[in-house]
Amino acid sequence: SQQGEEDPQALSIQEGENATMNCSYKTSINNLQWYRQNSGRGLVHLILIRSNEREKHSGRLRVTLDTSKKSSSLLITASRAADTASYFCATDSNTGKLIFGQGTTLQVKP
Amino acid sequence: EPEVTQTPSHQVTQMGQEVILRCVPISNHLYFYWYRQILGQKVEFLVSFYNNEISEKSEIFDDQFSVERPDGSNFTLKIRSTKLEDSAMYFCASSEIRGGGRSETQYFGPGTRLLVL
Repeated sequence: SQQGEEDPQALSIQEGENATMNCSYKTSINNLQWYRQNSGRGLVHLILIRSNEREKHSGRLRVTLDTSKKSSSLLITASRAADTASYFCATDSNTGKLIFGQGTTLQVKP
Repeated sequence: EPEVTQTPSHQVTQMGQEVILRCVPISNHLYFYWYRQILGQKVEFLVSFYNNEISEKSEIFDDQFSVERPDGSNFTLKIRSTKLEDSAMYFCASSEIRGGGRSETQYFGPGTRLLVL
């Protein structure tokens, strides 16, 4: 079974629009984290939401977590061309091991 | 801001050769991890390391792999006899506390791109 599946797989929007990415998972989690990866580069941590939290904000990022549906969403508001990257959710089920999804590739057109 | 560093950034090796990938975690972090990402695929967990021993390892982390903290700052991943399918980006990560009920962020290095020919 796959843990941390994102949708859509690819998203293309205009600068200034909002981008929403979703992540579903299958097992119980301790926390869920979102990472950004620019093409061929390392992973940059964006935000962590714990299993007892429902929503979290960081700048233009808003993350929600619904543990009953085993799903999370990442909203990037007022997108910029620099937001173009792949976005991954990763779940931590209490061992410190992160399980990543396939990611959503976001393209923001200027 | 402290960051995880990795060397080399790129490594090309012949099948069957040994490679050592090096990482310098953030200095006050206690937990260390290796992940890999085959081109176009998801990031996969390899191993976690705490207190000079492996905490957890994945099925990928077979006898060809080993990790070591040879001194107070470095954390290495060794592949004894590389295979073509070991070609991937290898990421080191570190965290301040373990996610055993006390979740914490993992900080990733920029990665080492390994190509096995």
